Amino acid sequence: EDQVTQSPEALRLQEGESSSLNCSYTVSGLRGLFWYRQDPGKGPEFLFTLYSAGEEKEKERLKATLTKKESFLHITAPKPEDSATYLCAVHNRGAGGTSYGKLTFGQGTILTVHP
Amino acid sequence: NAGVTQTPKFRILKIGQSMTLQCTQDMNHNYMYWYRQDPGMGLKLIYYSVGAGITDKGEVPNGYNVSRSTTEDFPLRLELAAPSQTSVYFCASRTSGGTYEQYFGPGTRLTVT
Repeated sequence: EDQVTQSPEALRLQEGESSSLNCSYTVSGLRGLFWYRQDPGKGPEFLFTLYSAGEEKEKERLKATLTKKESFLHITAPKPEDSATYLCAVHNRGAGGTSYGKLTFGQGTILTVHP
Repeated sequence: NAGVTQTPKFRILKIGQSMTLQCTQDMNHNYMYWYRQDPGMGLKLIYYSVGAGITDKGEVPNGYNVSRSTTEDFPLRLELAAPSQTSVYFCASRTSGGTYEQYFGPGTRLTVT
């Protein structure tokens, strides 16, 4: 069974204080690891997809990295508008490649950035 | 493009009542999904569909039913609502093949009392 664990559960930062969020995963055949941002009362918003160990992707102050067991979401010099819940999810390749894109999500990290 | 839209935004049901959560996407995506999100628990897959007329169960299907008569619409039916179905429900869709990312609607917050 696929498992995704995110840490910490909550993170409070001062504006400009860089940090990282962790996503540890167990999956039999990784087809992709996804990061989403979710604002209160809204649906998850897609950020990144990572496919193989060593891959990195960047968007503004966010950089996502991937190893064979975990992914990190690095936040450089965060601003209050980066406050949100960040979700990690994995897509299992499935037997014979028939997973139909089903995702397994972690519980999320609630990020609060204070001015 | 409106993307994925869901109605209603909020609903309160009494125990034993039934209702249908609506989901529509205008991106011509073949794959559609229903999730529920409980506090601190992440998103759990209820049902999914790989195209019109084809649906299958996800991780937590009990108490729910779906249908997919068109590419655009994927309604979720709750029969005999129970307090355990109090949750926020999200619909998502994605294209066939490609990069597999799913695009989510704004959600429906359901309370069963």
